[in-house]
Amino acid sequence: DGGITQSPKYLFRKEGQNVTLSCEQNLNHDAMYWYRQDPGQGLRLIYYSQIVNDFQKGDIAEGYSVSREKKESFPLTVTSAQKNPTAFYLCASSTTRGISGNTIYFGEGSWLTVV
Amino acid sequence: LAKTTQPISMDSYEGQEVNITCSHNNIATNDYITWYQQFPSQGPRFIIQGYKTKVTNEVASLFIPADRKSSTLSLPRVSLSDTAVYYCLVDPPRRAGNMLTFGGGTRLMVKP
Repeated sequence: DGGITQSPKYLFRKEGQNVTLSCEQNLNHDAMYWYRQDPGQGLRLIYYSQIVNDFQKGDIAEGYSVSREKKESFPLTVTSAQKNPTAFYLCASSTTRGISGNTIYFGEGSWLTVV
Repeated sequence: LAKTTQPISMDSYEGQEVNITCSHNNIATNDYITWYQQFPSQGPRFIIQGYKTKVTNEVASLFIPADRKSSTLSLPRVSLSDTAVYYCLVDPPRRAGNMLTFGGGTRLMVKP
């Protein structure tokens, strides 16, 4: 089935540790995104990428890093510089459908907890 | 990109029609309006998209007035399973990879 796969679903991080969240899509979409969601809050954009080997910071990029070496993959690393990383992380991809607007497809999300 | 404003929350009862309005006063000529639904601990999913007037699909209708400065998502005869957060997003077409920023969304609670 086509879609976006995020892993792991649940992840625990120790203080001072870097962790990487995986995101893979087989939808052949050019654009990919990472969002953070805190409990009861909306989505905040961390990073986004329009094409391979290119990405831009979103609203809350500090303490995070990404890479886009392949069209299908957009991993997110939560570094030790991110002081409050406990949250729900969502990966997404999108494509333009010609004359109509973009449609964004989301993965199932990853829960990250600092212990 | 156009900023959007939605009510923080709404309550309804099963079987009622629910209308959620989104304001986007600085919408650009080429912008499309898209609504998403999110259940707890899941990614948002596409509901409906439109440019002007009215769009209807199997789950919802989208009403857009002539000035396009707002839009209304209409959910007919809601059920308990429609309890979710609803987001409206405004962005231009043919340019996937825009800095797509979601607002806080509207938290809909459907009661029995």
